Amino acid sequence: DQQVKQNSPSLSVQEGRISILNCDYTNSMFDYFLWYKKYPAEGPTFLISISSIKDKNEDGRFTVFLNKSAKHLSLHIVPSQPGDSAVYFCAAGIDNTDKLIFGTGTRLQVFP
Amino acid sequence: DTAVSQTPKYLVTQMGNDKSIKCEQNLGHDTMYWYKQDSKKFLKIMFSYNNKELIINETVPNRFSPKSPDKAHLNLHINSLELGDSAVYFCASSLGTSGSKKLYEQYFGPGTRLTVT
Repeated sequence: DQQVKQNSPSLSVQEGRISILNCDYTNSMFDYFLWYKKYPAEGPTFLISISSIKDKNEDGRFTVFLNKSAKHLSLHIVPSQPGDSAVYFCAAGIDNTDKLIFGTGTRLQVFP
Repeated sequence: DTAVSQTPKYLVTQMGNDKSIKCEQNLGHDTMYWYKQDSKKFLKIMFSYNNKELIINETVPNRFSPKSPDKAHLNLHINSLELGDSAVYFCASSLGTSGSKKLYEQYFGPGTRLTVT
């Protein structure tokens, strides 16, 4: 039972354009959500998070949107850069449990 | 200055052997984790420790035994290795979400690619 889903395994975007990565979840108990970026042969790197009491969080070129009624979150990267090419994982957790449930990842390729 | 480090980075061994993976964090975090990323790229939590105490144990075979000698170290020992144990194992740490100061993000090590032949 996959509680966190990333239905697009890959995404290709031109440099300078917006990248939108999507994530859906099924468990309404999730209190917080995170996005991680992963390069080959490296561990996931934390990007940005959002609490369930918010609907938007922004950090530089990265913005995460949360739609609780739709159980959907998205990561917007604008403008996209070639260095953003990586696999992006969304993750969700329940407060006071320290347990993160990860999606299966979306491979983003930003081409010149 | 590496925040979460793991050794070894690669581990190739035969079925039936016993092996260990070591993890150390210098972030001063209270909670440490082991994750497994299988061939389908699913990243799943196996264990978590908070201040040397086991908190999460996700239906992992008894052949896997975590050990936390202190809160900066969490090692993973695997007995009687099987072909299905081949995966990338990631260690992570965090401040944890319980208590007055909550930071949700977990910081990951570079991973250990285990290949069982």
